[in-house]
Amino acid sequence: EDKVVQSPLSLVVHEGDTVTLNCSYEVTNFRSLLWYKQEKKAPTFLFMLTSSGIEKKSGRLSSILDKKELFSILNITATQTGDSAVYLCAVDDNQGGKLIFGQGTELSVKP
Amino acid sequence: NAGVTQTPKFRVLKTGQSMTLLCAQDMNHEYMYWYRQDPGMGLRLIHYSVGEGTTAKGEVPDGYNVSRLKKQNFLLGLESAAPSQTSVYFCASREGRANTEAFFGQGTRLTVV
Repeated sequence: EDKVVQSPLSLVVHEGDTVTLNCSYEVTNFRSLLWYKQEKKAPTFLFMLTSSGIEKKSGRLSSILDKKELFSILNITATQTGDSAVYLCAVDDNQGGKLIFGQGTELSVKP
Repeated sequence: NAGVTQTPKFRVLKTGQSMTLLCAQDMNHEYMYWYRQDPGMGLRLIHYSVGEGTTAKGEVPDGYNVSRLKKQNFLLGLESAAPSQTSVYFCASREGRANTEAFFGQGTRLTVV
């Protein structure tokens, strides 16, 4: 059975800290891994990763994929209160378009 | 630019009642999804569709039915609502090709009493 597991489930940090969120997966036919940010409403897209070792970067956020060890990390440097959200990881299993999400990591950034 | 629109946004049902949630997308996407989100559970896939007239079961399909009669619409039905179906429901859609992101609706908060 396909599985996506995120850790930690919740995290409290102070502004300026750096955080690393983890996503591991077990799927039959991996196609891509996606990261989303959710702030009390609909998830919004952050990154899509398809190849190992290639870092995707957007401002203070970056992400990388390891297809051998079946995991991805999402890094946020110099965190701000606006980074407080639930971060969701999803895997596209190349079986008819199924998109499976993990439990999410709830990040709280304190001033 | 409407994107993905869900109707209704809020609903309270009594146990045993039925209802249909509507998801409409205007991006000509092939793939559409229904998820439910409960505290600490992330997004769990209920049903999904890879094209007009096709549907498939996800991780938690029991108690739900779906239909995709038109490409732009994906309906989620609850035939006999139960308190365990109290949740926030999200619809998503994406293009029917490799490595595309999914776009989400704003969610429907359903309470079954």
